[in-house]
Amino acid sequence: SAVISQKPSRDICQRGTSLTIQCQVDSQVTMMFWYRQQPGQSLTLIATANQGSEATYESGFVIDKFPISRPNLTFSTLTVSNMSPEDSSIYLCSVEDNRETQYFGPGTRLLVL
Amino acid sequence: ELKVEQNPLFLSMQEGKNYTIYCNYSTTSDRLYWYRQDPGKSLESLFVLLSNGAVKQEGRLMASLDTKARLSTLHITAAVHDLSATYFCAVSFGNEKLTFGTGTRLTIIP
Repeated sequence: SAVISQKPSRDICQRGTSLTIQCQVDSQVTMMFWYRQQPGQSLTLIATANQGSEATYESGFVIDKFPISRPNLTFSTLTVSNMSPEDSSIYLCSVEDNRETQYFGPGTRLLVL
Repeated sequence: ELKVEQNPLFLSMQEGKNYTIYCNYSTTSDRLYWYRQDPGKSLESLFVLLSNGAVKQEGRLMASLDTKARLSTLHITAAVHDLSATYFCAVSFGNEKLTFGTGTRLTIIP
């Protein structure tokens, strides 16, 4: 199974600032996914990141707010820009392995004050 | 738009009892996943169901899929405290994007 790491694991930020979250996978994958889990809620897909092309965003999420980079097949970043308290969530990256199982990283717990 | 509903949302059950969590989805799906999430933790993959009639079992958990009814079940047999967690189903259709259910928060009472 794919091993996924995320940095930072948690952070407390001031409103109006930005935070970049890193996701590293131990094998090459075509697509990486970024999800948000608001407190006590389910997971919502933010965007799909393909290497070498712009990310595809889901309804309700825009590139200006959540810019994503995917410089190679094992790494991606998600930036949460101009943060507000409503952005307080867990942000998770995920990948799919050859056996069609999607694995999730440990998550980044973000609190915006 | 693909919608995924789970019920119940909350479930308290005594150790040793059996129960079932239901996952309904609104359109044809080609894969259905079950995940477990412990408080403050990420998601752990439990099962991937790919075809109608698929049944998978791991320990006290058994998952099944009925694609005609657009229904998956997660059955818990003789529950133990260690199974307390939130369980999510998720579906995908035609691509790898997952649409998650609302989650079922399961509490096993000694």
